[in-house]
Amino acid sequence: GESVGLHLPTLSVQEGDNSIINCAYSNSASDYFIWYKQESGKGPQFIIDIRSNMDKRQGQRVTVLLNKTVKHLSLQIAATQPGDSAVYFCAENEAGTASKLTFGTGTRLQVTL
Amino acid sequence: DTAVSQTPKYLVTQMGNDKSIKCEQNLGHDTMYWYKQDSKKFLKIMFSYNNKELIINETVPNRFSPKSPDKAHLNLHINSLELGDSAVYFCASSQDLTAGNPQHFGDGTRLSIL
Repeated sequence: GESVGLHLPTLSVQEGDNSIINCAYSNSASDYFIWYKQESGKGPQFIIDIRSNMDKRQGQRVTVLLNKTVKHLSLQIAATQPGDSAVYFCAENEAGTASKLTFGTGTRLQVTL
Repeated sequence: DTAVSQTPKYLVTQMGNDKSIKCEQNLGHDTMYWYKQDSKKFLKIMFSYNNKELIINETVPNRFSPKSPDKAHLNLHINSLELGDSAVYFCASSQDLTAGNPQHFGDGTRLSIL
C-alpha cells in the first residue's frame, strides 16, 4: 500500500543551528502536504503546508521544500531553539480523497544546549 | 480558548467495558475527524464527518461508533473494549472537505485497557 515516511528516527541538533527533517512519500497522486509538530502529551500542531503546484513555502523560521520528482518533502527550521524539541510528522492528502490525511511515522528532534 | 477539546484526557478501564470519548470544536469548522495513535506514534485516521454526515470510515471495527449530534461535536463510543484498543485517540477538525485546509487537533485521550 501507499506509505509516507520511514521509521521514527531521531535528529539531534545544537541550539542555534538549522534543522532539516526529511520525509519520503510514495503516493504520486498526493497534492497537498502538511508538517505537524507534536510535543509530549499534546496533539499535533500545524506548522506549515504546501500544495503540489509549489516547490517551496516559507513561514516564520520554517521552510518546506517539495520535490515531486523524487517524492520528497523537507522541513527546515532556522536557528533551532529548545522549544522546537518535539516529534515532527509529515502528512499527505491524496487528491479527491475528501481531506483524508496519511501521516508519516515521524522524526524526533532533540535540541541540545 | 481551546479550539478542539476532548474529554476525558485519560481513560483507564477494563477489557469488555463500553466507553465514550467526547470532542467539541469552537472553530466553526464543518469537518471533524478521529485518529488513533499507537505506541510507536503512528497516527492513522479512523473516521471523518462533514456537517454530521459520515465521510470516511477507515475499516475500523464496528465496535467503534462515532456520533455527531451537530457539526461542532463528534463523539466516539467504543463497545467491548479490547487490549489492542489501548492508544491515544485524537479528535481534529478542518474548515471543510476541501484539500488545503489544515486539520487542527485536540490534545488527545489516552485510553488504557487493563
